[in-house]
Amino acid sequence: GAGVSQSPSNKVTEKGKDVELRCDPISGHTALYWYRQSLGQGLEFLIYFQGNSAPDKSGLPSDRFSAERTGGSVSTLTIQRTQQEDSAVYLCASSLVDRFNQPQHFGDGTRLSIL
Amino acid sequence: AQSVSQHNHHVILSEAASLELGCNYSYGGTVNLFWYVQYPGQHLQLLLKYFSGDPLVKGIKGFEAEFIKSKFSFNLRKPSVQWSDTAEYFCAACSSNTGKLIFGQGTTLQVKP
Repeated sequence: GAGVSQSPSNKVTEKGKDVELRCDPISGHTALYWYRQSLGQGLEFLIYFQGNSAPDKSGLPSDRFSAERTGGSVSTLTIQRTQQEDSAVYLCASSLVDRFNQPQHFGDGTRLSIL
Repeated sequence: AQSVSQHNHHVILSEAASLELGCNYSYGGTVNLFWYVQYPGQHLQLLLKYFSGDPLVKGIKGFEAEFIKSKFSFNLRKPSVQWSDTAEYFCAACSSNTGKLIFGQGTTLQVKP
């Protein structure tokens, strides 16, 4: 099926290492979101891309987090110098052009574990 | 600040019992409201959404939610739950002021057979 695809599905890494998480949105979806789901914390908005507009980075928890979206399609979320509190499931979602009216479709997430 | 609150963090019901999960939001202006479900080991799926019109919204699998503007609420209901409804349920709101989709903390529903 042509759903939102995320890779890797699981990532275990040592504290202090950098990690890259990838998201392939549904073809034709110009809006792309990253969220973080931590135990007991629910879903936390991280960053939002919409077409060629400047991304909304207001949810990024620190300057160790960054994301880019190349060619309006694939997105990469990068976490530098990982900390144990970064352990969570990172979810990507995409939606059609009008983000206010179209539901988001979610990927299966990347489970990140920092040792 | 914009926020979404789910008051029930963990709900345990027997099959055939009725379900109501509370959701309150704090937003100014026009708001779109959603309920998502995450079954064990699966990704988030949309249950139902409210944009405008009839405040009673029907979704998949027999779920419905009612938008009550005066109470800033969007509670999820199902008359008779099944064991397969065991999952985590998230309420979410999107404001036209910010464009950000904000989620509640989630409610874990456990249905006993």
